[in-house]
Amino acid sequence: DAKTTQPPSMDCAEGRAANLPCNHSTISGNEYVYWYRQIHSQGPQYIIHGLKNNETNEMASLIITEDRKSSTLILPHATLRDTAVYYCIVRERWGNTPLVFGKGTRLSVIA
Amino acid sequence: ETGVTQTPRHLVMGMTNKKSLKCEQHLGHNAMYWYKQSAKKPLELMFVYNFKEQTENNSVPSRFSPECPNSSHLFLHLHTLQPEDSALYLCASSQERGEQFFGPGTRLTVL
Repeated sequence: DAKTTQPPSMDCAEGRAANLPCNHSTISGNEYVYWYRQIHSQGPQYIIHGLKNNETNEMASLIITEDRKSSTLILPHATLRDTAVYYCIVRERWGNTPLVFGKGTRLSVIA
Repeated sequence: ETGVTQTPRHLVMGMTNKKSLKCEQHLGHNAMYWYKQSAKKPLELMFVYNFKEQTENNSVPSRFSPECPNSSHLFLHLHTLQPEDSALYLCASSQERGEQFFGPGTRLTVL
């Protein structure tokens, strides 16, 4: 079973920041927070991951609370192409541990 | 383009047919995975191969038979499938301690 809780859907206006929350209250010390997204009928795409510090890359920023029980994925300037299902996953970093997907958040970016 | 390719992209088969799905990764990874995504359901892990050895079989029926001849190729052999096996089948690969990269998937329809 997935160890994360996400809202089922969210809307965001094009050009605005999209903030996607995730709760992972049972996360253990050696587990990372990963974010993937899946555009309709395509394979999931890796976005970003982090342990306890905030992370930023060319796609998004990841903010993890100090107690690590929740996090927020931020898409700074959402475009129509960011419409997708976004999955928050906790996973051990070491080894080839499979991903356990939940239902994710369906983000709709609106023009 | 993620470096993971899958063929065919679409497949329609009868319940008595035998077919195979192919996955190839060009990333030098040492682990490969099969996932299944049924309509309106989360992705489900099916099989995991590490260094060509099957390390996980997630209670998958025997009508699905994986094969991993080398670290770059992964097959899923299908026989006597049921209509409820219609789904998007996704292949992924990863390197030790690394992110998983997914292929585009094979959309399977069983008549």
